[in-house]
Amino acid sequence: KAGVTQTPRYLIKTRGQQVTLSCSPISGHRSVSWYQQTPGQGLQFLFEYFSETQRNKGNFPGRFSGRQFSNSRSEMNVSTLELGDSALYLCASSWTSPGNEQFFGPGTRLTVL
Amino acid sequence: GIQVEQSPPDLILQEGANSTLRCNFSDSVNNLQWFHQNPWGQLINLFYIPSGTKQNGRLSATTVATERYSLLYISSSQTTDSGVYFCAVLLAQGSARQLTFGSGTQLTVLP
Repeated sequence: KAGVTQTPRYLIKTRGQQVTLSCSPISGHRSVSWYQQTPGQGLQFLFEYFSETQRNKGNFPGRFSGRQFSNSRSEMNVSTLELGDSALYLCASSWTSPGNEQFFGPGTRLTVL
Repeated sequence: GIQVEQSPPDLILQEGANSTLRCNFSDSVNNLQWFHQNPWGQLINLFYIPSGTKQNGRLSATTVATERYSLLYISSSQTTDSGVYFCAVLLAQGSARQLTFGSGTQLTVLP
């Protein structure tokens, strides 16, 4: 069974631009969560989707948004990029709930110049 | 919110040595996972262990949920064990349905 995949793996953007990251969960998994990892803040939760609905959201500004499609694939979008958005963005999938074992993708490393 | 503390923050070992990493958490949980972050950033699942003891090769883990801690044991360490080890928990109650991560233990295994 294929693991969680994320595209693209690397991105370089400039301040003010917007970016869209994609995540395909493990086949059969319906819950998708997104996390941001930075050296200063560590791993922080962004949001979680299940059946195309956002069930939970972390403490991030509205510039961070996401969605989930009927095939459980998920995208996250960051608008009006800031230097501080430079981070590793990790996607995790689980069967139906974050309470189930979560499996992470390889991440997208975003650099904002 | 829930607090997750990992110790030690840094650990340097000679190849072949054993080690114990600790994770303390401040509230009841119904999900606890241990991960190893590889040099490319991917989190590799080690254990899903909300309670009890599990073993996988040279690695084993124990979670004592009533006392709110978990231990990860690495025996006969190898240089490939180097990296950051994270503990992550999910609260048993409340609306917060996300993993909360500790700050990690940076393990360096010297040849």
